[in-house]
Amino acid sequence: QLQLQESGPGLVKASETLSLICTVSGDSISSTSYYWGWIRQPPGKGLEWIDTLYYRGSTYYNPSLKSRVTVSVDTSKNQFSLKLSSVTAADTAVYYCARGNYITRFDYWGQGTLVTVSS
Amino acid sequence: QSALTQPASVSGSPGQSITISCTGTSSDVHNYKYVSWYQQHPGKAPKLMIYDVTNRPSGVSSRFSGSKSGNSASLTISGLQAEDEADYYCCSYTSSSTLVFGGGTKLTVL
Repeated sequence: QLQLQESGPGLVKASETLSLICTVSGDSISSTSYYWGWIRQPPGKGLEWIDTLYYRGSTYYNPSLKSRVTVSVDTSKNQFSLKLSSVTAADTAVYYCARGNYITRFDYWGQGTLVTVSS
Repeated sequence: QSALTQPASVSGSPGQSITISCTGTSSDVHNYKYVSWYQQHPGKAPKLMIYDVTNRPSGVSSRFSGSKSGNSASLTISGLQAEDEADYYCCSYTSSSTLVFGGGTKLTVL
């Protein structure tokens, strides 16, 4: 049974860097069949795609966030991570990690983690 | 990239059918078969309901169906049930090799 679990600080100060890790269990992040991604949802608002990556290095970004996003994969720990720099209150959201089929859809999602940016 | 356009809300009575529309552009919905739909209950993670315009993942009820015409895609739910009350989001692959979501539609079962 595939499971994804987000982890990281729930509170980040404005102008600092948000860092999250997604731990995958029940499947290998090195699987050639799948991609891995991040999606966020501000409180009371809709979903926003952040990025999708392949373990060998291909990465696709939301153009509006690309300049602030850094992603990486740790195959030894079966994890992938997200860093979002220079955060503001607008980055307050529930952040989800998910498994993707190429970058066309996400079939398994983590439960999400709320990150609040404080001033 | 601009979000896909969905109605803010739709409603229907149990047993009825409803359709949620999702309008994009020639850079996304119109030119690609990669439209997906997600169901999200309050406080829960989204769940994939439809992918590649018309396909249902294993375990998703056949009451859910998808279609596309031109710049617009649609999600139809037939035989509406109370448990279908949720937010629904469409999503499309784009010509820039990115993904874009719709703004979401709140479905109320009367």
